[in-house]
Amino acid sequence: KAGVTQTPRYLIKTRGQQVTLSCSPISGHRSVSWYQQTPGQGLQFLFEYFSETQRNKGNFPGRFSGRQFSNSRSEMNVSTLELGDSALYLCASKWWGMRSNEQFFGPGTRLTVL
Amino acid sequence: GENVEQHPSTLSVQEGDSAVIKCTYSDSASNYFPWYKQELGKGPQLIIDIRSNVGEKKDQRIAVTLNKTAKHFSLHITETQPEDSAVYFCAAGDSTLTFGKGTMLLVSP
Repeated sequence: KAGVTQTPRYLIKTRGQQVTLSCSPISGHRSVSWYQQTPGQGLQFLFEYFSETQRNKGNFPGRFSGRQFSNSRSEMNVSTLELGDSALYLCASKWWGMRSNEQFFGPGTRLTVL
Repeated sequence: GENVEQHPSTLSVQEGDSAVIKCTYSDSASNYFPWYKQELGKGPQLIIDIRSNVGEKKDQRIAVTLNKTAKHFSLHITETQPEDSAVYFCAAGDSTLTFGKGTMLLVSP
């Protein structure tokens, strides 16, 4: 079974630009969560999507947004990029059912903002 | 919200020794406690998890214990090997997870 895939793996942008990251969950998984990982703050939860609806949201500014498509694939968008947005962005998927806690991560997208 | 503290931040052991990583959490409503291993350039990999109705779980050389009263849980790795070297994260929550800051484990041959 294929794992979670994320594209692109690496991105370099400049301040003020916007960026879109993509995530394809494990087949059959219907929930997708996004995390930001930095050396200083560790893994921080951005948001979770299920059935094309945002179910939970972390404490990030409105510049960070996401969406989910009917095939469960998800995208996240960051507008007006700041230097502090440089991070590894991780996507995790899980099955939505009785054992719905287990999350499986993709390899991440490394975003560098110059 | 939930707050997870993880210790130590770095841990160096000799091959064959045991390693223990400890985490505490604040929200008594949390009922799911996974542990992840992250190698350089990769995403976190789920290695073991435990739910609040279980006190201990073991999978070969890895074990996790949970004390709900004290709100702490621990990861135990026995007979460590160089390939165990990585960053380990604990997490706590339910439908959403709050992660600890990680422990860099170095196993020397």
